[in-house]
Amino acid sequence: GAVVSQHPSWVICKSGTSVKIECRSLDFQATTMFWYRQFPKKSLMLMATSNEGSKATYEQGVEKDKFLINHASLTLSTLTVTSAHPEDSSFYICSARTGGSNYGYTFGSGTRLTVV
Amino acid sequence: DQQVKQNSPSLSVQEGRISILNCDYTNSMFDYFLWYKKYPAEGPTFLISISSIKDKNEDGRFTVFLNKSAKHLSLHIVPSQPGDSAVYFCAAIGGTSYGKLTFGQGTILTVHP
Repeated sequence: GAVVSQHPSWVICKSGTSVKIECRSLDFQATTMFWYRQFPKKSLMLMATSNEGSKATYEQGVEKDKFLINHASLTLSTLTVTSAHPEDSSFYICSARTGGSNYGYTFGSGTRLTVV
Repeated sequence: DQQVKQNSPSLSVQEGRISILNCDYTNSMFDYFLWYKKYPAEGPTFLISISSIKDKNEDGRFTVFLNKSAKHLSLHIVPSQPGDSAVYFCAAIGGTSYGKLTFGQGTILTVHP
């Protein structure tokens, strides 16, 4: 089946630094990828929709200059958390659509970001 | 505005019994619903889905029921197994969401041996 690879699975960084998270579709092309954030004991909140070759579409309340998304190819989308702060610590998950009867959403394994 | 709600944060069930997880939604434009299972520090995995033109969909031990008039859906797991212990999210698509998933808050299911 379709596989979405997300890397790294966890990262610890210092306040003020930037962190890049990669999301790759391994055996299919994904023109659209989605980035979610999950707070502890909370739902998955959609942050932005990443479109190959064009600008990402951000959800209301998500700072686009803070969370930079690049979807330069049909198999790779990246999320860069810039000037990270402790409140950015969270679990970030990407998803890609493969089509199919269940709308074909396949999720990455997630990235646990801790900002110290 | 929480358009998809899972009002039970947790559920504990004995092995072999039925697990019933509930989900309510407010947006009448949602026309497709999905259930995902999630383990800690992992991404969600798809379980089962249902279109709004149906009221029931079954796949092995998993059955999803949809009551459109009540804007309510439920996931039944029979028989429950300890390996089913995880967080279960319902999600919805439709209307102006342009294919984006809207998730509920999740329910932690614990199946005791």
